[in-house]
Amino acid sequence: DVKVTQSSRYLVKRTGEKVFLECVQDMDHENMFWYRQDPGLGLRLIYFSYDVKMKEKGDIPEGYSVSREKKERFSLILESASTNQTSMYLCASYRTRDRGLNEQFFGPGTRLTVL
Amino acid sequence: GESVGLHLPTLSVQEGDNSIINCAYSNSASDYFIWYKQESGKGPQFIIDIRSNMDKRQGQRVTVLLNKTVKHLSLQIAATQPGDSAVYFCASISGFQKLVFGTGTRLLVSP
Repeated sequence: DVKVTQSSRYLVKRTGEKVFLECVQDMDHENMFWYRQDPGLGLRLIYFSYDVKMKEKGDIPEGYSVSREKKERFSLILESASTNQTSMYLCASYRTRDRGLNEQFFGPGTRLTVL
Repeated sequence: GESVGLHLPTLSVQEGDNSIINCAYSNSASDYFIWYKQESGKGPQFIIDIRSNMDKRQGQRVTVLLNKTVKHLSLQIAATQPGDSAVYFCASISGFQKLVFGTGTRLLVSP
């Protein structure tokens, strides 16, 4: 019954490393999102994609990039990890807004620690 | 800037009580609202949604109330159970598919 998977639950990286976070959904959804979740700040949108090879900046894109080469996969890339990118990263997908976000699903999250 | 806030960070209730979690939003153009539940170690899970042309919507043991005049949203959980213990978020959409999330309220249910 798995719908949205993320490549790692826990990840520890060093400052300056390039980090890849992978998200895969099996529901044929057009829309995919990357959020980070920090205490007291809620979920903040980093990047989103409405279709293959499409990407749009969210509220906090600095220090991140994304890739959507296939419909089911949306990757978040930290080009040079920094300690302030230590966070919980959540991927989400849904088909279309017109059908309501009751078909939106979140992945389990990746807790990234940058040392 | 746009924000969605919650009045209380933690809400403690007894099993069987009704719970009310509140949320305020700032953007009067928001036209779609959602409540999520996030259990420890899991991603947020959709609970119930409501569109701005409604002021009340009911689900199984949950009711969402929307007051557009004061830009306030609430989630009511009837007969709260220990399994309801989680963090609850509200979120709103204004414009094209961009969700704005609140910071969350932790609901603690004691037996």
